[in-house]
Amino acid sequence: DSGVTQTPKHLITATGQRVTLRCSPRSGDLSVYWYQQSLDQGLQFLIQYYNGEERAKGNILERFSAQQFPDLHSELNLSSLELGDSALYFCASSGQGLAGANEQFFGPGTRLTVL
Amino acid sequence: GQQVMQIPQYQHVQEGEDFTTYCNSSTTLSNIQWYKQRPGGHPVFLIQLVKSGEVKKQKRLTFQFGEAKKNSSLHITATQTTDVGTYFCAGPGTASKLTFGTGTRLQVTL
Repeated sequence: DSGVTQTPKHLITATGQRVTLRCSPRSGDLSVYWYQQSLDQGLQFLIQYYNGEERAKGNILERFSAQQFPDLHSELNLSSLELGDSALYFCASSGQGLAGANEQFFGPGTRLTVL
Repeated sequence: GQQVMQIPQYQHVQEGEDFTTYCNSSTTLSNIQWYKQRPGGHPVFLIQLVKSGEVKKQKRLTFQFGEAKKNSSLHITATQTTDVGTYFCAGPGTASKLTFGTGTRLQVTL
């Protein structure tokens, strides 16, 4: 158990819909990262938040947005869903400050299926 | 942007055989991390290497960081079925973002 929780575990929805994925980082971790992993694919970095502020952006579509709340939990919002958005979405957290990378602790993921 | 490639993409070995995955970055790295993802699971941190030429061992796993700090390798001696999974290397990018390698999927059969 990494200490990172994600809900829901599974999500099945239809094209055009909007969903929200939730992540609670490990206690004390200020950084939250979101990744997308499609079938047999690597980890595509989407976005990072540090203590409530956006720190880095990856290949995140305009239809996707995220935020980190004062209690440090984070939400990833996916809208106008397409079939190609079906994937595993991982959240990770780390305790490192702004300088340098530190190990990331991954949650169990949310499997999104768009029909 | 920074790219991190791994070879091979996939390797199938018999239990007891050795396995090596190689990681190459397009840029010099301040450090490199390795993660393992079991089938159906999430990535789990294995180790971080920082120094040029550094070699670290964890039981049957040997990790190496290249002299130029642009490549790394993970070698598993005498694989076991518990080694099955995908191994990712990852290098730091901007802020504390990590760029993950393309991954090597290891399959071990008896």
